Amino acid sequence: NAGVTQTPKFRILKIGQSMTLQCTQDMNHNYMYWYRQDPGMGLKLIYYSVGAGITDKGEVPNGYNVSRSTTEDFPLRLELAAPSQTSVYFCASSSTTGTPQHFGDGTRLSIL
Amino acid sequence: DQQVKQNSPSLSVQEGRISILNCDYTNSMFDYFLWYKKYPAEGPTFLISISSIKDKNEDGRFTVFLNKSAKHLSLHIVPSQPGDSAVYFCAASVSLSGNNRKLIWGLGTSLAVNP
Repeated sequence: NAGVTQTPKFRILKIGQSMTLQCTQDMNHNYMYWYRQDPGMGLKLIYYSVGAGITDKGEVPNGYNVSRSTTEDFPLRLELAAPSQTSVYFCASSSTTGTPQHFGDGTRLSIL
Repeated sequence: DQQVKQNSPSLSVQEGRISILNCDYTNSMFDYFLWYKKYPAEGPTFLISISSIKDKNEDGRFTVFLNKSAKHLSLHIVPSQPGDSAVYFCAASVSLSGNNRKLIWGLGTSLAVNP
């Protein structure tokens, strides 16, 4: 029973590099979310998707892009990594927006 | 502007005693509240929720109380166990256009249950 799977778990990037954080869920959930959590802070929504082919911005979308070509996958792309993007990134999914979200274990990203 | 406030960053409780975690909110349009628990190096895990039409919801050792007039909710854990040591997040949900809802998170309270 995998739930929400995020890869990689850790990554160090140099300033200006790009990378994609992967997220896959096997619960057939329509809704998927990307959050970032900075030290001592709560979760901030980056992007979300209400279904395949549909994405929308959250509170802090600048510097990120997403796509949702399938129900299962919701990758998050950083095009030009900046030190301010050092954070822990969580992917989540839910069957509707009114039901609790299921989270992956996170990707810890450091930009040096 | 923090719409969901968890004013206690940390809480320490003896095993077997009650843990009370508090959460205040400012937006009267919030109509659904959730508590999540988070262990280090793991994602948050849903714990318990409450709709604004209720004032109490109970699930085993966990009870959430909602006081709408005070815009305050609390999570009670009785009896507390060492395995309950984690960061607890309060989150509040509000309906947007269509079927969409928005979830606002508090900053979390770190609970330590001492044997």
